[in-house]
Amino acid sequence: QKEVEQNSGPLSVPEGAIASLNCTYSDRGSQSFFWYRQYSGKSPELIMFIYSNGDKEDGRFTAQLNKASQYVSLLIRDSQPSDSATYLCAVRGGGFKTIFGAGTRLFVKA
Amino acid sequence: EPEVTQTPSHQVTQMGQEVILRCVPISNHLYFYWYRQILGQKVEFLVSFYNNEISEKSEIFDDQFSVERPDGSNFTLKIRSTKLEDSAMYFCASSEVGGPGETQYFGPGTRLLVL
Repeated sequence: QKEVEQNSGPLSVPEGAIASLNCTYSDRGSQSFFWYRQYSGKSPELIMFIYSNGDKEDGRFTAQLNKASQYVSLLIRDSQPSDSATYLCAVRGGGFKTIFGAGTRLFVKA
Repeated sequence: EPEVTQTPSHQVTQMGQEVILRCVPISNHLYFYWYRQILGQKVEFLVSFYNNEISEKSEIFDDQFSVERPDGSNFTLKIRSTKLEDSAMYFCASSEVGGPGETQYFGPGTRLLVL
């Protein structure tokens, strides 16, 4: 059974701080890694994707991938109250099926 | 900006009834997907669809489920005989191309409640 594991949280950070979200996955054949943000009652919204080992930066967001450790992370710099949401890690192998983690709830305190 | 749309936003049905959930993918996208999310649980892949065929399905997608692209714009999910445990949010998604690296864009979802 292919699994994606995340700490459910909640992770609470003060406004302006760095939020660090982590994810591990079980399938070594996984090829693509995604971070989605989901507000309560809404659909997942893609924040970033990463395919290669290392870091990928997009504005305040940095995704980090370590395939040897089967580990993906998302850093959010200068966290804002509007960043408060559930962050979903998602992993895809060679096909079409995307496997989601249960998500980490993030609270950014003003 | 083009987006995936879904109708209805909410659907209440009696156990054993058939429901059809509708989706209009982004117009130039060729790959379509259905996911579900039971309240408080993970988003779960149901099925992917390309060129009028199912390309991949999960173990959840059993004989009570079917998908169809009845015309050039709509993509539907039919649940033949609903069960209480089918109550969930159903998300449609689409992507321009297939493969592990493509970006899937999600619709707003249909909240299905089976009584």
